[in-house]
Amino acid sequence: QVQLQESGPGLVKPSQTLSLTCTVSGGSISSGSYYWSWIRQPAGKGLEWIGRIYTSGSTNYNPSLKSRVTISVDTSKNQFSLKLSSVTAADTAVYYCARGNWNYANYWGQGTLVTVSS
Amino acid sequence: DIQMTQSPSSLSASVGDRVTITCQASQDISNYLNWYQQKPGKAPKLLIYDASNLETGVPSRFSGSGSGTDFTFTISSLQPEDIATYYCQQYDNLLTFGPGTKVDIK
Repeated sequence: QVQLQESGPGLVKPSQTLSLTCTVSGGSISSGSYYWSWIRQPAGKGLEWIGRIYTSGSTNYNPSLKSRVTISVDTSKNQFSLKLSSVTAADTAVYYCARGNWNYANYWGQGTLVTVSS
Repeated sequence: DIQMTQSPSSLSASVGDRVTITCQASQDISNYLNWYQQKPGKAPKLLIYDASNLETGVPSRFSGSGSGTDFTFTISSLQPEDIATYYCQQYDNLLTFGPGTKVDIK
């Protein structure tokens, strides 16, 4: 069964770039027809979809974050990554990576807390 | 952008009660709607996809219905393990989650 694990710095300074990696195990990231997504959740708040990358490498982003987000995939490491630039305190959240089809995400990582603070 | 609303934002019910949550989309999304359950400190779990289809392994007390702009999620007999926040999610245009409904035991 596929498993996903987020990793990256837990603390990022304002105006810097947040970088997270999701390592996939139990299956190849380049096989099948899957979408690999990033979703975040500020403490005590709801879920916000950030964006996704398809097996082919095509990407879709949340319009509200599009100017600051890049999602990429490294098939050699079976990983996909998130970069969010020019972060502020409003970007403090638990960040989840997930796998799914074009319409839903049915395998999720456990989430990683990223705090934006000087 | 498609906006999603849910009501109520929270509810308390007794074990065995029937619980109903509604989700409304800001425009017609056909049946392009999913429901997730999120327990405290855990990642969300897909329960219902395409508005009414039960994900494999999900108990049959969970159900969903609706199309267009109005959708309903029902727990037919609330169990203690159902304490969680429930989110709807549209996929007619990218993905958007509703604000969530927190379900507690009375």
